[in-house]
Amino acid sequence: AQSVTQLDSQVPVFEEAPVELRCNYSSSVSVYLFWYVQYPNQGLQLLLKYLSGSTLVKGINGFEAEFNKSQTSFHLRKPSVHISDTAEYFCAVSLSNDYKLSFGAGTTVTVRA
Amino acid sequence: EAGVAQSPRYKIIEKRQSVAFWCNPISGHATLYWYQQILGQGPKLLIQFQNNGVVDDSQLPKDRFSAERLKGVDSTLKIQPAKLEDSAVYLCASSLGKQGLYNEQFFGPGTRLTVL
Repeated sequence: AQSVTQLDSQVPVFEEAPVELRCNYSSSVSVYLFWYVQYPNQGLQLLLKYLSGSTLVKGINGFEAEFNKSQTSFHLRKPSVHISDTAEYFCAVSLSNDYKLSFGAGTTVTVRA
Repeated sequence: EAGVAQSPRYKIIEKRQSVAFWCNPISGHATLYWYQQILGQGPKLLIQFQNNGVVDDSQLPKDRFSAERLKGVDSTLKIQPAKLEDSAVYLCASSLGKQGLYNEQFFGPGTRLTVL
């Protein structure tokens, strides 16, 4: 079965600084990879996804992620964060023939002025 | 376009009581999911419906949890009787459900359950 590990539970960052959220997955077969964002008291919103093709994926709100098959990683990055990026971020994986999502434990990003 | 609707948003009950959550998916979405999100963890899939049939309920604690989607639209998730460890946010999601293709899941705001 596939699984996801998010290496940082909390990431504090100053406004306009870059941020990277780390995600590693394990699976013996091909996978799809996702990043979701959850703002306080809201549901999850898809930031970006990797299904196939270019390993550098661009998403909404200036986020991007890179799929690295050899390192089984899918790290999320943003070059300059805003206060409004304060939220919880979840990495998720699904098998390529089965779209059921398995989520990591989440990373809480707190952006300070 | 209206999103996934869930009610109630918050519920507080005592252990051994019963509780029900309601979900109205996006119009036209054939697939509906219920997730349990315990504090400090990622969402865990409880049950997946395709129209009004169950596709996967392998992680649903069937001794106390039940779910239905009678007309292939709205769905209800019930817990009877509730335990302290059921305190969590229950998320509903829906997708178009086209076979063999990636279908984005759209999430509702969730119902936060506190069991005392």
